[in-house]
Amino acid sequence: DGGITQSPKYLFRKEGQNVTLSCEQNLNHDAMYWYRQDPGQGLRLIYYSQIVNDFQKGDIAEGYSVSREKKESFPLTVTSAQKNPTAFYLCASSMILAANEQFFGPGTRLTVL
Amino acid sequence: GESVGLHLPTLSVQEGDNSIINCAYSNSASDYFIWYKQESGKGPQFIIDIRSNMDKRQGQRVTVLLNKTVKHLSLQIAATQPGDSAVYFCAETYDKIIFGKGTRLHILP
Repeated sequence: DGGITQSPKYLFRKEGQNVTLSCEQNLNHDAMYWYRQDPGQGLRLIYYSQIVNDFQKGDIAEGYSVSREKKESFPLTVTSAQKNPTAFYLCASSMILAANEQFFGPGTRLTVL
Repeated sequence: GESVGLHLPTLSVQEGDNSIINCAYSNSASDYFIWYKQESGKGPQFIIDIRSNMDKRQGQRVTVLLNKTVKHLSLQIAATQPGDSAVYFCAETYDKIIFGKGTRLHILP
């Protein structure tokens, strides 16, 4: 079963703590993306990766970090520097960068207590 | 600047009727326009796209219309079903994909 998975589905953290969100895909896609979604809002791009060992900042990268050591995996770390981290985080992948069809994971809802 | 938005945040449609979801865009240089569907608690799912040199494209039960003169995009869903209840996002691509804020489609029984 090919697809993209994110874990955990719900995540709670205390202020000042870093937290890492997992994203894995077995679609053999080169490009991967992280988006943030706030209530009633569209998707805002945090980071993206065109290929292994390469990634670029999106529109709202401050307070976040990523790595792309394997083609299948693109974890996102929400650091304590992110001032308003409570949100729904979506990971996506596509065959190539900027392809029209992106495949999204089910999302992780992060709540900072 | 670049922006993709929607005219109505919520649309209520009777089951069996046709739905029309609208979107305005501002970047005339965009290559493609895309519609995504997001069901509650899930990630968005690609529905259909249209290239900027086309004005209409049909899929299964869906039609996308592009009016470049007024920078307007619409998604028509025929014979709306309960499973169509979701938030619909339009998006545009130039060197990257930019998503609009979304319209919630609510199906009335």
